Amino acid sequence: KAGVTQTPRYLIKTRGQQVTLSCSPISGHRSVSWYQQTPGQGLQFLFEYFSETQRNKGNFPGRFSGRQFSNSRSEMNVSTLELGDSALYLCASSVGQGARDTQYFGPGTRLTVL
Amino acid sequence: AQSVSQHNHHVILSEAASLELGCNYSYGGTVNLFWYVQYPGQHLQLLLKYFSGDPLVKGIKGFEAEFIKSKFSFNLRKPSVQWSDTAEYFCAVIPYNAGNMLTFGGGTRLMVKP
Repeated sequence: KAGVTQTPRYLIKTRGQQVTLSCSPISGHRSVSWYQQTPGQGLQFLFEYFSETQRNKGNFPGRFSGRQFSNSRSEMNVSTLELGDSALYLCASSVGQGARDTQYFGPGTRLTVL
Repeated sequence: AQSVSQHNHHVILSEAASLELGCNYSYGGTVNLFWYVQYPGQHLQLLLKYFSGDPLVKGIKGFEAEFIKSKFSFNLRKPSVQWSDTAEYFCAVIPYNAGNMLTFGGGTRLMVKP
């Protein structure tokens, strides 16, 4: 079974631009979560989608948004990029949205904001 | 807000040494506990998890962790490390009724010298 895939793997943007990252979950998984990983703040939860609905949201500004499609694929968007948005963005998928549903992580998208 | 603390940021061990990585969390209610590992160049993957029952849980690759409720701790152990255990280890918590929103500790970088 194919794992979680994320595209693109690397991105370079400039301040003020916007970016869209994509995540394809493992087949049969309906929950997708996004995390931001930085050297300073570590791994932080962004949001979680289940059945096309945002179920949980972390403490990030409204510039960070996401959505989930009917095939469970998810995208996250960051508008008006800031230097501090440079990070590794990880996507994780699970069968359901419960704590006991193991989350499988993708390789991440490394975003650099110049 | 709940937090997860990993007090050892960097650990260097020789092969065959015993390992114990500390993890403490601040949430007072029922929690689900996890250890994730990120090997160099690889995805974040689940090492072990605790939901309820026997507080000593065993995971992959000979790792185990002990949940001590009175100490709000979930320390990771391995009796004899190998060079291939070189990785970054993350403790994480999902409070009861928080869906699958993982709160991660800051991580511990383990280097095992051959």
